[in-house]
Amino acid sequence: NAGVMQNPRHLVRRRGQEARLRCSPMKGHSHVYWYRQLPEEGLKFMVYLQKENIIDESGMPKERFSAEFPKEGPSILRIQQVVRGDSAAYFCASSPNWDRVTEAFFGQGTRLTVV
Amino acid sequence: DAKTTQPPSMDCAEGRAANLPCNHSTISGNEYVYWYRQIHSQGPQYIIHGLKNNETNEMASLIITEDRKSSTLILPHATLRDTAVYYCIVGNSGGYQKVTFGTGTKLQVIP
Repeated sequence: NAGVMQNPRHLVRRRGQEARLRCSPMKGHSHVYWYRQLPEEGLKFMVYLQKENIIDESGMPKERFSAEFPKEGPSILRIQQVVRGDSAAYFCASSPNWDRVTEAFFGQGTRLTVV
Repeated sequence: DAKTTQPPSMDCAEGRAANLPCNHSTISGNEYVYWYRQIHSQGPQYIIHGLKNNETNEMASLIITEDRKSSTLILPHATLRDTAVYYCIVGNSGGYQKVTFGTGTKLQVIP
């Protein structure tokens, strides 16, 4: 059973470009969470999605950031018109059903560098 | 989410027990204590969680005080591979991880 897969592992974008980060959850997991980790800081919650639904996006910046988790395919975190402050590690986690005590499994992250 | 407080760093000799403390004085009755660790440049790894009873698994033990205001993660025989940042967080059951990890405790295992 493959773990949570994120790609790319490293992404370099120039200011103003778009960054697209992908996350494939573990098999059987239908809940996906995205986190951002700035250098020397802890992880901060961004968004929680289920298949085709955004459940909670309270941690996501209102502008330029969007997330989706389509019926087929990976979850996508999209950052439009990137700025230097978007440089960070972005982690995705997945978990199975809501109604169990469970633990989120994390991917290895995508390190975004904006130049 | 309840706030947690952890020491920023700790050292532990290889082969000795590492005891990592965490204060969570505002934890509510239905919130669990979770521990994760993050080895350099990798994604966080789940270690253990508990509600009010002490817990043990193949990785660690979790001791929660009777008033639930603090807990201790115990790595019984620390190895160099246990060098990592350890995060103590509190959250509800059900897999919804809308939590923000603090800065954690940076554990350095010394040979």
